[in-house]
Amino acid sequence: DIQMTQSPSTLSASVGDRVTITCRASQSIASWLAWFQQKPGKAPKLLIHKASTLQSGVPSRFSGSASGTEFTLTISSLQPDDFATYFCQQYSGSWTFGQGTKVEIK
Amino acid sequence: EVQLVASGGGLVKPGGSLRLSCAASGFIFSGYSMNWLRQTPEKGLEWVSSISLRGDYISYSDSVKGRFTTSRDNAKKSLSLQMNSLRGEDTAVYFCAREGADMGTSDYWGQGILVTVSS
Repeated sequence: DIQMTQSPSTLSASVGDRVTITCRASQSIASWLAWFQQKPGKAPKLLIHKASTLQSGVPSRFSGSASGTEFTLTISSLQPDDFATYFCQQYSGSWTFGQGTKVEIK
Repeated sequence: EVQLVASGGGLVKPGGSLRLSCAASGFIFSGYSMNWLRQTPEKGLEWVSSISLRGDYISYSDSVKGRFTTSRDNAKKSLSLQMNSLRGEDTAVYFCAREGADMGTSDYWGQGILVTVSS
């Protein structure tokens, strides 16, 4: 299976901060990478697919980028609704997920 | 509005069986592949199974292969996961999820349902 290494595991930030979360794939996955947001007790919500395509209805402060096997989710200006856990997922092979990044209030 | 509502979870003894169902609404169910995934605090998110539009292609993770069976009823807009020979490590919140058209990943997830395997 393709392993996804996500960092950091926890991130403390303030409203208005620029936030960056990284995932590294254990092998090439081209651009088959998605980012999800999950709040406690809720289902994951798709934010970005194909590494950088914003899902319909997702605010433009979310963006994704890729460089080789390293993928980045950026929130340009953190909003109160953005405090949540974020996961990356590769879908080049059988789906696998990163361990998640919890974005906390600083 | 796309809705996926799972049911059938609960407490079951090791070696027992449980059947999860997922009722879909708000979209043309027969037009989408569907997936089951699960989540635990220890292992995180894990893909369990996927089923094609007509149910003629089904795949499973190695951890559940031979014990779990996925099926769908397009007329009833329903997805099912029959879980047999359950083990403690199957304890998780289970999600049904729609695979987005031409997307390759899931664009909508149900609310999740807890399955606990314990004596």
